[in-house]
Amino acid sequence: AQSVAQPEDQVNVAEGNPLTVKCTYSVSGNPYLFWYVQYPNRGLQFLLKYITGDNLVKGSYGFEAEFNKSQTSFHLKKPSALVSDSALYFCAVRDGSRMGNTGKLIFGQGTTLQVKP
Amino acid sequence: NAGVTQTPKFRILKIGQSMTLQCTQDMNHNYMYWYRQDPGMGLKLIYYSVGAGITDKGEVPNGYNVSRSTTEDFPLRLELAAPSQTSVYFCASSYPREMGEQYFGPGTRLTVL
Repeated sequence: AQSVAQPEDQVNVAEGNPLTVKCTYSVSGNPYLFWYVQYPNRGLQFLLKYITGDNLVKGSYGFEAEFNKSQTSFHLKKPSALVSDSALYFCAVRDGSRMGNTGKLIFGQGTTLQVKP
Repeated sequence: NAGVTQTPKFRILKIGQSMTLQCTQDMNHNYMYWYRQDPGMGLKLIYYSVGAGITDKGEVPNGYNVSRSTTEDFPLRLELAAPSQTSVYFCASSYPREMGEQYFGPGTRLTVL
């Protein structure tokens, strides 16, 4: 069965410091991996995705994520955090090798990122 | 493009009442989804549709129904509201490609008392 784990409920960083939000996944085939961000009282916004190719994926707002197949991880990173990055972040996975793909995603439980001035 | 729109934004229901959550997208996406979000639980898929006239159950379909008569609209129906259905509901849509990301609406916050 497919699953996603975000081991940290909350991550606290100081503004200007690098940040990492962790995600590990489990799928039987090739993973398609996504990161979304949710600001208070808003819907989810797409940040970036990994489908194939370069293991380092760049996305919106200066975020990037590194795909590591051996560790089944897809951690979200940013070199220098901003207070405005404070939000709830979700990792999601789809099994890309399944036939009859319906686009369904499995989401992690979310990690709250708090960036302090 | 308005993207994915949802109405209402907020609603309070009494136990046993029914209601329909509306979802419309103007991106001509074939695939549409309904999720519920509970604190600390992430998003759980309720129902999804791969095109007009085609719907299927997700992970938590009990207590809900859907229909898809047009590409644009995907309403979610609660027939007999229960306190366990208190949640935030999100509608999403995507292109029919394996690697297509989903686009989300702003959500409906539902409280059942």
